Amino acid sequence: GIQVEQSPPDLILQEGANSTLRCNFSDSVNNLQWFHQNPWGQLINLFYIPSGTKQNGRLSATTVATERYSLLYISSSQTTDSGVYFCAVDRGSTLGRLYFGRGTQLTVWP
Amino acid sequence: EAGVTQFPSHSVIEKGQTVTLRCDPISGHDNLYWYRRVMGKEIKFLLHFVKESKQDESGMPNNRFLAERTGGTYSTLKVQPAELEDSGVYFCASSQDLFLTGAGNTIYFGEGSWLTVV
Repeated sequence: GIQVEQSPPDLILQEGANSTLRCNFSDSVNNLQWFHQNPWGQLINLFYIPSGTKQNGRLSATTVATERYSLLYISSSQTTDSGVYFCAVDRGSTLGRLYFGRGTQLTVWP
Repeated sequence: EAGVTQFPSHSVIEKGQTVTLRCDPISGHDNLYWYRRVMGKEIKFLLHFVKESKQDESGMPNNRFLAERTGGTYSTLKVQPAELEDSGVYFCASSQDLFLTGAGNTIYFGEGSWLTVV
C-alpha cells in the first residue's frame, strides 16, 4: 500500500496562534482529503485537494502532487480546533480506498 | 441533506458475543466503505461496496467479520464471535461517483460506532 506520514504527531498551541500540518505520501495519488476528528470522535471532511490550493475560512490547504506532500494551515487557532487532523489518500488503481496517516493531535489552549 | 449515519454509536459486549453495526450512507451514494481504527493505530480500510456488490474486501481482517449491503442501500457489519482485539471505532463512509472529477470523489464519513469487547 501507499505510505502516508504526518507531522508533527502532536502540537500544542495557544489560542490565536497559527500552525502548519504536513502530510507526505509515497506514491502518486488520485485523491487527497484532510479530516478533523473532533473530541466526540466525528470525522469531519475539511478539504478534497488532490492538487492545488483551497481556502475555507481560517483553514487552507495546499497539495504539491509532483513532490508528494500536502500542507494544512490553521490561522488564528481557536479551542474548537482541537482534535486529531488526518490526511488520507487513494491511488488511481484502488479508487475509493483511502490510506490514512496516523494524524496530528492538536491541542489549543485558551 | 442527511450525512452518513451509523448505529449504535457505542456498544459494549463480552468476548464471544455477536455485534451488528449498521450504516446508512448519504442518499444517492453508490459507494459505501467500512473502516476501523483500533487503539493506537491508524484508520484502516475494511471493504468497499458499489451498490450491493463487494468491490474490494481485501481489508477484512478475518472470517469473523461479515458485511452486507442488501438492495444497495444501508449496510451492516457483523462481528461474530467478537474478540478483545476487535475493540475500536468502526467508521462507515460513502461517496457519489468515483469517476467524476472534482468534489464528486469526496468521501464522507459517519460519526463511527465505538465497539468495546470485554
